[in-house]
Amino acid sequence: DAGVIQSPRHEVTEMGQEVTLRCKPISGHNSLFWYRQTMMRGLELLIYFNNNVPIDDSGMPEDRFSAKMPNASFSTLKIQPSEPRDSAVYFCASSPGQGKELFFGEGSRLTVL
Amino acid sequence: SQQGEEDPQALSIQEGENATMNCSYKTSINNLQWYRQNSGRGLVHLILIRSNEREKHSGRLRVTLDTSKKSSSLLITASRAADTASYFCATWAGSYQLTFGKGTKLSVIP
Repeated sequence: DAGVIQSPRHEVTEMGQEVTLRCKPISGHNSLFWYRQTMMRGLELLIYFNNNVPIDDSGMPEDRFSAKMPNASFSTLKIQPSEPRDSAVYFCASSPGQGKELFFGEGSRLTVL
Repeated sequence: SQQGEEDPQALSIQEGENATMNCSYKTSINNLQWYRQNSGRGLVHLILIRSNEREKHSGRLRVTLDTSKKSSSLLITASRAADTASYFCATWAGSYQLTFGKGTKLSVIP
């Protein structure tokens, strides 16, 4: 298996632009997580999907952030409009079930100027 | 919210020495997991220990869990330069969420 695949690996954009991050989880995994990692706040859970359904989005910073999972093999995290404080590494992770190990993608490093 | 807190925040050792990292948490858990993150990469799962287990081994890794003290330790024996990375503990308390600490940054000097 290729593991969790994220794109793009790096994104540099200007404030106010829309950013879309993409994730392909491991086939057969029914749980998908989006995390954000910064030096100041560490690893923060943004949203959790189970069987393609968003279960908890309480970690999403504000309405500028939205996430979708239209099918079991694809998820997106969108930021519109982007702000400099959104600069971080965004990770997607999938898991075969609750409490089991998470498999992380390599992350998308976002820089908002 | 951060459940697990790793200690120390940073650790520097010589190649061949053992490295010990600790993790403390606040609430009851079902399992505790350790992950490694190399610079610029995603986190990689190392080992999972259940709440009814006290010790677990995997290669050069040894993990202990003391639920009475709400703490865990990760020991890496005979460290190598390739072990240089950040190490995170994560706790699972029964819901969907795995809660990560801020990590210990390990530097192994050749």
